[in-house]
Amino acid sequence: AQSVTQLGSHVSVSEGALVLLRCNYSSSVPPYLFWYVQYPNQGLQLLLKYTTGATLVKGINGFEAEFKKSETSFHLTKPSAHMSDAAEYFCAVSPLGSARQLTFGSGTQLTVLP
Amino acid sequence: DAGVIQSPRHEVTEMGQEVTLRCKPISGHDYLFWYRQTMMRGLELLIYFNNNVPIDDSGMPEDRFSAKMPNASFSTLKIQPSEPRDSAVYFCASSLSGQTNEKLFFGSGTQLSVL
Repeated sequence: AQSVTQLGSHVSVSEGALVLLRCNYSSSVPPYLFWYVQYPNQGLQLLLKYTTGATLVKGINGFEAEFKKSETSFHLTKPSAHMSDAAEYFCAVSPLGSARQLTFGSGTQLTVLP
Repeated sequence: DAGVIQSPRHEVTEMGQEVTLRCKPISGHDYLFWYRQTMMRGLELLIYFNNNVPIDDSGMPEDRFSAKMPNASFSTLKIQPSEPRDSAVYFCASSLSGQTNEKLFFGSGTQLSVL
């Protein structure tokens, strides 16, 4: 079984500031990890994913995430927030990379202040 | 490709009425998923199909919920009778198998309000 915990249901940052969204997971097998983003009135879109290999993963729109096995974490970061980054972000885990077994976290709403 | 298409975008109905949500997956995708999103429970997988066959419906909350996929390009999620607690956003998603890190493509969702 696997689960995902996203710390902080709401995060606010100023435009240009660092974005840090936290995600911790549990999985009985090596996990595949994902970050999805949901803009208002839209479906979820894949931001980035970790499968194997390099633990620092780069995604779209300047986001990146680092897989830390010892901390069971997969935090999402972006050096400089843009107004267009305002959205809800979901961390997800899958034990074998299969979309059929994807478990989502509860989401973090990111607000970017001018 | 137009992506995953869901209809209607918004549905308002009265308790006890039948509700049908529709989904057209991306052409060529062989997996289709129905999710429900609520504030209380987040994003929940209700059911998924592979090659039009329901594989796992363990997430379907009650017998009032049913889903069909009569062909590769169309699926429905039906609630009969509907109840106020069914109010949520329902998402359809599709994916292509054969990869080790399958990506889900989501539709824009149907906002359901049961009064």
